[in-house]
Amino acid sequence: DVKVTQSSRYLVKRTGEKVFLECVQDMDHENMFWYRQDPGLGLRLIYFSYDVKMKEKGDIPEGYSVSREKKERFSLILESASTNQTSMYLCAIGTEHQTVRYEQYFGPGTRLTVT
Amino acid sequence: DQQVKQNSPSLSVQEGRISILNCDYTNSMFDYFLWYKKYPAEGPTFLISISSIKDKNEDGRFTVFLNKSAKHLSLHIVPSQPGDSAVYFCAAGLSGAGNMLTFGGGTRLMVKP
Repeated sequence: DVKVTQSSRYLVKRTGEKVFLECVQDMDHENMFWYRQDPGLGLRLIYFSYDVKMKEKGDIPEGYSVSREKKERFSLILESASTNQTSMYLCAIGTEHQTVRYEQYFGPGTRLTVT
Repeated sequence: DQQVKQNSPSLSVQEGRISILNCDYTNSMFDYFLWYKKYPAEGPTFLISISSIKDKNEDGRFTVFLNKSAKHLSLHIVPSQPGDSAVYFCAAGLSGAGNMLTFGGGTRLMVKP
């Protein structure tokens, strides 16, 4: 079974703080994704990465950055947290696109509250 | 512009009856579709998928139907159980696009005992 872990389940931060959310996978998958989930808006893609040192912007990258120094680890960084970044953050990995299985596997999520 | 839409934010069904969740998409290039289930405070879990070369895929109580001409897919759960109460997301993707998925807004299903 694919296992995706996220560093925290719940996090409370103050406005202006720098926030690090970490995602770790236990397989050798190349594709990793960060989403945020808000009621009625579904899952919106923030950033993704297809390999070490590679990163691509998703639909809502403003206010976020990412880091992928090792294949198994993909970090999401909120440079200066704001209250509108209060959300559920979900990390996902994808099986290699050469296979016929295209689903993404999600971590348990981090509920971030910015006060 | 939302390429994948779930127009019903919520659905309530009696235990034992059929639940039908709907999803519409606009991009005719999408060639595979998935349904995910999400409980509160947990990550989404993959439920069932369908390729655009098929119009139906079944897995136990779950069946996904695809109508390409209408750009519409639906998830049928029969019989519905209280444990099925969750938020359901449909997602669409393009093969060869590196696992990229576009998600709908979700439908909250409540199955009443």
